[in-house]
Amino acid sequence: GENVEQHPSTLSVQEGDSAVIKCTYSDSASNYFPWYKQELGKRPQLIIDIRSNVGEKKDQRIAVTLNKTAKHFSLHITETQPEDSAVYFCAATWEYGNKLVFGAGTILRVKS
Amino acid sequence: EADIYQTPRYLVIGTGKKITLECSQTMGHDKMYWYQQDPGMELHLIHYSYGVNSTEKGDLSSESTVSRIRTEHFPLTLESARPSHTSQYLCASSEGLAGVFQETQYFGPGTRLLVL
Repeated sequence: GENVEQHPSTLSVQEGDSAVIKCTYSDSASNYFPWYKQELGKRPQLIIDIRSNVGEKKDQRIAVTLNKTAKHFSLHITETQPEDSAVYFCAATWEYGNKLVFGAGTILRVKS
Repeated sequence: EADIYQTPRYLVIGTGKKITLECSQTMGHDKMYWYQQDPGMELHLIHYSYGVNSTEKGDLSSESTVSRIRTEHFPLTLESARPSHTSQYLCASSEGLAGVFQETQYFGPGTRLLVL
């Protein structure tokens, strides 16, 4: 089945610096890759997603890149702020899009 | 407002009790999901449904059961709770048909379960 690996497990950055989180997936049929942010005690919220027919997508300070050949995708956060501190999960589709398989999560701490 | 609702938000219960965690969505979505998540840890799919009268087991073995009698309602039941069931349970929904691009999953606020 699909396996999604996410690195790093924890990431500390200074406010204003950039943060990069990387994920790899195993199923070449995966075609949808969302990223979720989960703040402490709250539900996961979608922050950005990318489909397999696109190589890059940007939304203000957040961007996602996808390399289908290498089967990896990355989340880039620029000009980090303390409110960016949270757990970030990547995910990839499995079983013809009927399920999402999640990575193990990255704890991002932005130090002010 | 279109959203996903879960009740109760917190539940403390003794071993052996039967419990039902409620999930309702007003988004008109066909697909619904249940995930189990330990604090700060990855999400594990335990059940999902394509629509009314459809239920499937997920990737993580679970002693729970689900039903889907109405589109908007997807309750999860534990017949006999055990301390190993202590966790957070998240319900999610998405629109879209099987075989096409997976649509975004929207999550409910979760139910934190503690079994003593």
